Amino acid sequence: DIVMTQSPLSLPVTPGEPASISCRSSQSLLHSDGYNYLDWYLQKPGQSPQLLIYLASDRASGVPDRFSGSGSGTDFTLTISRVEAEDVGVYFCLQATQSPYTFGQGTKLEIK
Amino acid sequence: EVQLVQSGAEVKKPGESLKISCKGSGYSFTNYWIAWVRQMPGKGLEWMGLIWPGDSNTRYSPSFQGQVTISVDRSTSTAYLQWSTLKASDTAMYYCARPLLQHAGAYYNIWGQGTLVTVSS
Repeated sequence: DIVMTQSPLSLPVTPGEPASISCRSSQSLLHSDGYNYLDWYLQKPGQSPQLLIYLASDRASGVPDRFSGSGSGTDFTLTISRVEAEDVGVYFCLQATQSPYTFGQGTKLEIK
Repeated sequence: EVQLVQSGAEVKKPGESLKISCKGSGYSFTNYWIAWVRQMPGKGLEWMGLIWPGDSNTRYSPSFQGQVTISVDRSTSTAYLQWSTLKASDTAMYYCARPLLQHAGAYYNIWGQGTLVTVSS
């Protein structure tokens, strides 16, 4: 199985400041079709997860443009340009290049 | 409105069987994979497997193969997750999810509300 490792696991951020979360995979996620099948999700407290980013860098519909994804191969990053209070929750990456799909362990973002 | 509606919370005893459901509506049920995801109390997300409702083609994570069964009823646009013998370690929230795009296996943009399963003697 591909192991997904996120860092940091806890991320205290001041509102208005940027934030970045790293997700590293134990094998390359670059598929033979040229895509990196890497998603980012946010799970707000008491809610189901919601899709933020797919294919490493495509923003899902309705997701604010302060969220962006980058990376290829084994190193990926989710960046929030200016954190807002509503961004608190746990962020997960998910690889879907190789079955079984696997999630990272999660990064808890909190407001300072 | 596209949505997945899951069955309600369950409290079971070890050794009992259980089948929980996930009903899709607002879209062509047979044209999108349905995935199941486990979240144990206070823990992260675990991908369990998925099913193609069109022909019931199913893929399981090795961690869950043989432990659960994923199925569908096309006539009611409902996916199921079932256990024949529950264990205390099956206590968790279970989510179903549907991808953004037809034939895609991931990028889950539609999620059910979750079904909490509690297994306790």
